[in-house]
Amino acid sequence: EPEVTQTPSHQVTQMGQEVILRCVPISNHLYFYWYRQILGQKVEFLVSFYNNEISEKSEIFDDQFSVERPDGSNFTLKIRSTKLEDSAMYFCARTSGGTIQETQYFGPGTRLLVL
Amino acid sequence: AQSVTQLGSHVSVSEGALVLLRCNYSSSVPPYLFWYVQYPNQGLQLLLKYTTGATLVKGINGFEAEFKKSETSFHLTKPSAHMSDAAEYFCAVGQGGKLIFGQGTELSVKP
Repeated sequence: EPEVTQTPSHQVTQMGQEVILRCVPISNHLYFYWYRQILGQKVEFLVSFYNNEISEKSEIFDDQFSVERPDGSNFTLKIRSTKLEDSAMYFCARTSGGTIQETQYFGPGTRLLVL
Repeated sequence: AQSVTQLGSHVSVSEGALVLLRCNYSSSVPPYLFWYVQYPNQGLQLLLKYTTGATLVKGINGFEAEFKKSETSFHLTKPSAHMSDAAEYFCAVGQGGKLIFGQGTELSVKP
């Protein structure tokens, strides 16, 4: 099955600015996930999203973060007032169903650098 | 809560040699286990997964992994390494609807 696509592939922003990362599913899937990977560290779960609602979020996913699917296709992760420690690779993933047995298909990621 | 430990952040093998990447998990329930590979500048690609049934799981590119409950392990192997196998490999356990990843192991293959 095809992966999702993500835009942009790279983004550089100034500390305190807002960024929006986009995930574009190839087909009409309902289950989406965001993960991040700080350089040299583990891939960490941020949030899962089903049927236009957050189904689970990690402790990392605080009020600085939000997700939405504004136009029924793109799935976005918004980071308000970015901090230096937000610099990371952000991955979107999707499944056909919502159970963990389902394979999560990952996009190529967006590399975010906060200066 | 589930967790994953990958022993060895870097593994180097010669082309044609056996590849063994180690993964141990901690889980209070029957685990769902995954191996993903990440090539440079690419996303995570599923190599194989264990959910139920046969404990020896075969994946893409000649990789396989064996689920050993008694050892809480899910080591990844390939009989003969190829240069194209050089990448970072992640073991993960499913928890609820999300994946919990290990630290990753970078595999390098020497000619």
